[in-house]
Amino acid sequence: DVKVTQSSRYLVKRTGEKVFLECVQDMDHENMFWYRQDPGLGLRLIYFSYDVKMKEKGDIPEGYSVSREKKERFSLILESASTNQTSMYLCASRTVSDSGSPEQYFGPGTRLTVT
Amino acid sequence: KQEVTQIPAALSVPEGENLVLNCSFTDSAIYNLQWFRQDPGKGLTSLLLIQSSQREQTSGRLNASLDKSSGRSTLYIAASQPGDSATYLCAVNTGFQKLVFGTGTRLLVSP
Repeated sequence: DVKVTQSSRYLVKRTGEKVFLECVQDMDHENMFWYRQDPGLGLRLIYFSYDVKMKEKGDIPEGYSVSREKKERFSLILESASTNQTSMYLCASRTVSDSGSPEQYFGPGTRLTVT
Repeated sequence: KQEVTQIPAALSVPEGENLVLNCSFTDSAIYNLQWFRQDPGKGLTSLLLIQSSQREQTSGRLNASLDKSSGRSTLYIAASQPGDSATYLCAVNTGFQKLVFGTGTRLLVSP
């Protein structure tokens, strides 16, 4: 089974803090994604990564950056947290191999509250 | 810009009923469509993926269909159970592995 884990289930941070959200997958997937989920807005893509050290902006990258130094790990960074970044953050991964399923597999989510 | 709509937003049924969840999308140029389940406060669990060349996929009591030309997909759940209670999301792959999500249908199956 594919396993995607996220470092924290719940996180409370203060405005202006630098926040790191970590995601690890154990299936050697090339692609990894960060989404945020808000009531009434659904899931929106923040950033994604094709492979190690490669990243692309999603639909709402403002206020976020990412890092992918190793294939299994994809980090989301909030440089200076703001209250409008209070949300549920979901990480996902998938393989690009023809022999694998193209499905995206999701982690359990991190609920971040910025006060 | 691709938009995905799910109707109804919420659905409440008694146990044992067969039910259909709907998903529509505005741009038929998709690579695949994926149905997910999300329990409260949790991540997403993939249920079914339909490639753009396929018409349907089945897994147990679930059957998903795809009509790309009309921009519609349905998720059919047979003999619903209380354990099926969750939010169901559909998402279309528009290329470059980007998924565009609907806002979901919240399903409650009562015993």
